[in-house]
Amino acid sequence: NAGVMQNPRHLVRRRGQEARLRCSPMKGHSHVYWYRQLPEEGLKFMVYLQKENIIDESGMPKERFSAEFPKEGPSILRIQQVVRGDSAAYFCASSPRRGGYSYEQYFGPGTRLTVT
Amino acid sequence: RKEVEQDPGPFNVPEGATVAFNCTYSNSASQSFFWYRQDCRKEPKLLMSVYSSGNEDGRFTAQLNRASQYISLLIRDSKLSDSATYLCVVNLRTLDTGRRALTFGSGTRLQVQP
Repeated sequence: NAGVMQNPRHLVRRRGQEARLRCSPMKGHSHVYWYRQLPEEGLKFMVYLQKENIIDESGMPKERFSAEFPKEGPSILRIQQVVRGDSAAYFCASSPRRGGYSYEQYFGPGTRLTVT
Repeated sequence: RKEVEQDPGPFNVPEGATVAFNCTYSNSASQSFFWYRQDCRKEPKLLMSVYSSGNEDGRFTAQLNRASQYISLLIRDSKLSDSATYLCVVNLRTLDTGRRALTFGSGTRLQVQP
């Protein structure tokens, strides 16, 4: 049973370029979350998606960042016109669809974005 | 005030020691509670969920005090492999957005020494 998969694991972009980060949830999971971890800081929530639907994007910066989770294929986090401050580890997590309040989330290995 | 607060440590303990981490959360509507472990430059891994009645998994015991909004993790008989950052995590489900994202503390670093 494959875990959450993310690619690429490392991504280097020059300032002004676009970064695309991909996440495939665990099999049977229909909820995807993106988190960002800046160096020496804790994880911060960015966006929560289900298939073809953004449920909560309250943690997303207002500009340059977008996310999608299409009916087919992985979830994509897109950062346009990257700046040095975007350098961070971006983690994707998934959880199963089920009732109750205990929403355990399982994390992928992350994508480390470096903006030069 | 941070939503989830933890002592950053580091806690330096010898092998075999018992060590306890504490965490407080600010939102009384928080509904689910977890401890995650994160090794350097790796993803967080779920260590255990935390239940009101307290729960134990091998050498690890977690406690929740809703009245005080306080969560704890006890590690007995520490191993070198327990060295990591331990993240206190709460989940708040809002009725308007149905948000189920996790809120992470900044973590407590544990270093177990031989």
